[in-house]
Amino acid sequence: NAGVTQTPKFQVLKTGQSMTLQCAQDMNHEYMSWYRQDPGMGLRLIHYSVGAGITDQGEVPNGYNVSRSTTEDFPLRLLSAAPSQTSVYFCASSYEGLGGYTFGSGTRLTVV
Amino acid sequence: KQEVTQIPAALSVPEGENLVLNCSFTDSAIYNLQWFRQDPGKGLTSLLLIQSSQREQTSGRLNASLDKSSGRSTLYIAASQPGDSATYLCAVEGDNDMRFGAGTRLTVKP
Repeated sequence: NAGVTQTPKFQVLKTGQSMTLQCAQDMNHEYMSWYRQDPGMGLRLIHYSVGAGITDQGEVPNGYNVSRSTTEDFPLRLLSAAPSQTSVYFCASSYEGLGGYTFGSGTRLTVV
Repeated sequence: KQEVTQIPAALSVPEGENLVLNCSFTDSAIYNLQWFRQDPGKGLTSLLLIQSSQREQTSGRLNASLDKSSGRSTLYIAASQPGDSATYLCAVEGDNDMRFGAGTRLTVKP
């Protein structure tokens, strides 16, 4: 089925560890983005990309890196995990301004 | 900076009631507004998308309106059912960004 696929669904990290959250879409969307969702705060934009080779920071980028080598993939890297990064992470893609956003099912990350 | 507010934060109604969820935003320069549903521990499911040039969209028992000039949108749910229980999120799309409200948690009691 066409859509946005995120892996893993769940992850527990120790403080200081690094990891990569994977996101892939098969809708040929140019725009992809990463959000984190925390209780009572809604979703906040971490990083986004308007096409392969182009990325930019969102509202809460600190502690995260991204790259976009292909249209399909947009991985999110945590460089040195901190408890404050415990959250649910969502990846989304869209034809910006035209069709709205499609979201993945999320990755629930716990940093201990 | 775009700010999106949803009122109420939580709502509990008996089955069969018609209800309205409210969303307001501070910057009217938007491309579109989207309503999502989120079940506990799940991802976001798109319900309705209203382009900036449109006034409303309907899907089944759901109707969403958009008033850009006043920075408001409403989601109307007719004849509510227990299966409608979920959190409803409003989001507005601007340049390279989609801003979300904190959501309205809806409970429909049998």
